[in-house]
Amino acid sequence: ILNVEQSPQSLHVQEGDSTNFTCSFPSSNFYALHWYRWETAKSPEALFVMTLNGDEKKKGRISATLNTKEGYSYLYIKGSQPEDSATYLCAPTRAGGTSYGKLTFGQGTILTVHP
Amino acid sequence: DVKVTQSSRYLVKRTGEKVFLECVQDMDHENMFWYRQDPGLGLRLIYFSYDVKMKEKGDIPEGYSVSREKKERFSLILESASTNQTSMYLCASKPGQSSIRYTFGSGTRLTVV
Repeated sequence: ILNVEQSPQSLHVQEGDSTNFTCSFPSSNFYALHWYRWETAKSPEALFVMTLNGDEKKKGRISATLNTKEGYSYLYIKGSQPEDSATYLCAPTRAGGTSYGKLTFGQGTILTVHP
Repeated sequence: DVKVTQSSRYLVKRTGEKVFLECVQDMDHENMFWYRQDPGLGLRLIYFSYDVKMKEKGDIPEGYSVSREKKERFSLILESASTNQTSMYLCASKPGQSSIRYTFGSGTRLTVV
């Protein structure tokens, strides 16, 4: 079983604060790293899929970076809003064999943004 | 847009019952997956299917089985439900082995009493 660690487990911030989370994963046989946002009663929504070392992706106020050599990714949210409250999940996929691109998720970071 | 539909949003079953959780996707995806989510443990893979009638165990298959008789439908079966199977169950699909674009259902909250 792939060991994927996310920190912190939960986070409470005030509206307007900027925040960041960490995802660490084994760097061997790396293929891609996914970030998802999962709001209560909805389907997980894909934020980013990153494959290259040094990749940086941005979507509005959310951005992410990737270091495949050391096995970590950061997710940043600038100027948090209450609608950003959700569980943020990261999941690497491995290359080759019968992996079928299976996602192995970290335990998630639960973000609560207070007005 | 691809849709992944899970038949029930909330389900309450008794210990020992046989439980079927259904998942249907409408875009001819080859690969389908069942996950469960528990607090502090994230999403864990139970079973996946890479094609019709083909299945493989995930990380926590004990107490579960699956069925994929048609490409669009992937069923998760709890042969004899137990209280430790109370969880949120999430289905997902993707086009094929080389694809990394997943689509998720909105989940089934199962309570076993």
